[in-house]
Amino acid sequence: AQTVTQSQPEMSVQEAETVTLSCTYDTSENNYYLFWYKQPPSRQMILVIRQEAYKQQNATENRFSVNFQKAAKSFSLKISDSQLGDTAMYFCAFPLIQGAQKLVFGQGTRLTINP
Amino acid sequence: DTAVSQTPKYLVTQMGNDKSIKCEQNLGHDTMYWYKQDSKKFLKIMFSYNNKELIINETVPNRFSPKSPDKAHLNLHINSLELGDSAVYFCASSREADYQETQYFGPGTRLLVL
Repeated sequence: AQTVTQSQPEMSVQEAETVTLSCTYDTSENNYYLFWYKQPPSRQMILVIRQEAYKQQNATENRFSVNFQKAAKSFSLKISDSQLGDTAMYFCAFPLIQGAQKLVFGQGTRLTINP
Repeated sequence: DTAVSQTPKYLVTQMGNDKSIKCEQNLGHDTMYWYKQDSKKFLKIMFSYNNKELIINETVPNRFSPKSPDKAHLNLHINSLELGDSAVYFCASSREADYQETQYFGPGTRLLVL
């Protein structure tokens, strides 16, 4: 079974600090995609970043970057220069390959950015 | 301008009632989904349609019935609502039914069953 685990239920940092959210997953597939979604208090699910397992290079989107360790099955999200608007639930997600359309989500990490 | 929209945003109803949630996407995507987010924020897929055809039907009570009149719309009808149905329901869409594709989510519908 393919699973996604986020081991940090809550995190809190000061504005402008860097924070890393961890995610591990389990799969027997060789090529796949991984996603981080953000859910602010408005409840909207917003794609933050995605990574293709085939690519060695870590994905980057402005202040957001990933540390993808394929052998360790680890996919952490780094937020640099954190801003108050980054306060949200963050979900790591992995599409089940056999049911290729299904996204399996981690439990989420509640991130609070303090002024 | 909204890519994936849902109506209503909030739904408060009594146990035993029947209700529907509507979803529309204007992205030209072929595939649409329904997810349920419980009180602990856990998200789980319920259904998926590709070009109006049901392709995923998770272990969901048959009180839940999705309907896709065309590939831009996916509605969710719930019969005989129960307290445990209280949750946030998200609609999503993707260009194709493929693991590479990013899923884009609607704003969610918060359902409260009293």
